[in-house]
Amino acid sequence: SQQGEEDPQALSIQEGENATMNCSYKTSINNLQWYRQNSGRGLVHLILIRSNEREKHSGRLRVTLDTSKKSSSLLITASRAADTASYFCATDPTSSGGYQKVTFGIGTKLQVIP
Amino acid sequence: KAGVTQTPRYLIKTRGQQVTLSCSPISGHRSVSWYQQTPGQGLQFLFEYFSETQRNKGNFPGRFSGRQFSNSRSEMNVSTLELGDSALYLCASSEPYQVHTEAFFGQGTRLTVV
Repeated sequence: SQQGEEDPQALSIQEGENATMNCSYKTSINNLQWYRQNSGRGLVHLILIRSNEREKHSGRLRVTLDTSKKSSSLLITASRAADTASYFCATDPTSSGGYQKVTFGIGTKLQVIP
Repeated sequence: KAGVTQTPRYLIKTRGQQVTLSCSPISGHRSVSWYQQTPGQGLQFLFEYFSETQRNKGNFPGRFSGRQFSNSRSEMNVSTLELGDSALYLCASSEPYQVHTEAFFGQGTRLTVV
């Protein structure tokens, strides 16, 4: 079963609007990461937030993490058509012992309409 | 640095055949993970290799196997292919012994089983 679950599964917005995606997970984590995937290609790392951080920014991206609720959100401000992609959250569970066992959700498919 | 390289990019195989996929990690990365991506199941973790040893394994049947060579290059093999094995297979590399590390993905191998 998936560790992370993104919500919504699909999102369609107009260019210039903000897009918010949410991710919930089940076990305690070392960190949570967001990735973007363009149309069946490889994943591109966007941002990593550690379990002791609550908010992080990178350009037009803002990520929040609430470990008490086991949830995270990704906000893309002033969206562009080029932001059209699938977005995945990935969690690195503390039980992995530092080994690479990042577990992904099923993703949010974002469409930005020009 | 060159990115993660996966070969081949596309494959068409017949049910019952076997297939081998290759992944060359970023230079210096000794951890290589493999994922299967299908529309219905999202990204599913297959296994992770480090220093030629399998450290983690997902919930896949024994038909799925892998190995890693001394130069960190990895291969995964699927025997007795089934139609349901049609998927995008992604590999990711990362630096070892770092808890907060991002994974770098290749472009994937698109396997179609007919």
